[in-house]
Amino acid sequence: GQSLEQPSEVTAVEGAIVQINCTYQTSGFYGLSWYQQHDGGAPTFLSYNALDGLEETGRFSSFLSRSDSYGYLLLQELQMKDSASYFCAVRDGGSASKIIFGSGTRLSIRP
Amino acid sequence: SQTIHQWPATLVQPVGSPLSLECTVEGTSNPNLYWYRQAAGRGLQLLFYSIGIDQISSEVPQNLSASRPQDRQFILSSKKLLLSDSGFYLCAWSMGQNSGANVLTFGAGSRLTVL
Repeated sequence: GQSLEQPSEVTAVEGAIVQINCTYQTSGFYGLSWYQQHDGGAPTFLSYNALDGLEETGRFSSFLSRSDSYGYLLLQELQMKDSASYFCAVRDGGSASKIIFGSGTRLSIRP
Repeated sequence: SQTIHQWPATLVQPVGSPLSLECTVEGTSNPNLYWYRQAAGRGLQLLFYSIGIDQISSEVPQNLSASRPQDRQFILSSKKLLLSDSGFYLCAWSMGQNSGANVLTFGAGSRLTVL
């Protein structure tokens, strides 16, 4: 089967850097994606890694190591508005259109 | 540009009543379509996904069903709601292939309370 593991909660200070990890287990692999969800809202796409290495988009970066079945989302210069839940997601190798999500990491930011 | 519409935004239904949630996508053709459910404070559970008209895969064999009568329309239904059906229902779409298939765009969601 497929599964994704990520920490349930992370707390950080405004202006700091935080890393949210994700390990996955799938029968095949098409890439790792990250989504942000604010309370009461719908998830929004942040980034996608198909190959090993770091992808940078402004204050957010995402990293992938396929050999370790591991990725992380790095948030820099944290702002209060970054308080949200963050989900990693993968496409199922057996059925390429099936996309499953991790259980989410709730990021709380302190002033 | 592409947009996704989902309705109703909120609904309160009694146990045993039927359900119909609708989702439509504009500005693209042959999208992959998805229904997810999210319990309060929890992750996203995949319910159904579809790669084309009348091509629907089910992940949750409970009292829910999905239909895709048109290319850009996806409907989630139930004949008799259970208390456990309460949750936040999210429709999403992605491109049908290549890297775009990894990017989901979500509707605003439908918050269902079953009493």
